[in-house]
Amino acid sequence: IAGITQAPTSQILAAGRRMTLRCTQDMRHNAMYWYRQDLGLGLRLIHYSNTAGTTGKGEVPDGYSVSRANTDDFPLTLASAVPSQTSVYFCASSPSSATGELFFGEGSRLTVL
Amino acid sequence: GESVGLHLPTLSVQEGDNSIINCAYSNSASDYFIWYKQESGKGPQFIIDIRSNMDKRQGQRVTVLLNKTVKHLSLQIAATQPGDSAVYFCAERKSNFGNEKLTFGTGTRLTIIP
Repeated sequence: IAGITQAPTSQILAAGRRMTLRCTQDMRHNAMYWYRQDLGLGLRLIHYSNTAGTTGKGEVPDGYSVSRANTDDFPLTLASAVPSQTSVYFCASSPSSATGELFFGEGSRLTVL
Repeated sequence: GESVGLHLPTLSVQEGDNSIINCAYSNSASDYFIWYKQESGKGPQFIIDIRSNMDKRQGQRVTVLLNKTVKHLSLQIAATQPGDSAVYFCAERKSNFGNEKLTFGTGTRLTIIP
């Protein structure tokens, strides 16, 4: 079934550790996004990529980095995790950056202790 | 109702009744609006969108109304079913030229009473 795959589904991490959340899509979508979801704050954009080879900063980019080496993969890296990065992370894609119809993965729940 | 920035936690509706979920937006430059549905433990799912040159758009059992004068957006769900229980998010975007990203509201939880 076509869609977005995120891994891991859930992770507990010690503060200061490095962590990469993986995201792969098989829909050949140009645009990809990373959001974090916190109770009472909705979804906030961390980083995005309009097309392979380009990335941009969203609303809350500090402490996170991304790369887009090819169309399908868009990993999110926390270089040195902090407790405030405890959240549910959603990867999404869309055929182009012009559309608001995003296709979301199932999420990765990250707990930083 | 929900606002992009203001949270109305829960709306309870009897099964079979119509549901209306409201959203107030503050950015008068926004010209594109979207509703998403998020079921427990899953990612958000696109429901319907509307551009600012329209005031109403209908989908399957859903209708979105846009009132630009008062900067208000609503999602109407006809004949609600148990499967409609979810958190509903409105989102806005300033333009559709590719570089402006969606801003999501904080969500409204819709609970269907059997």
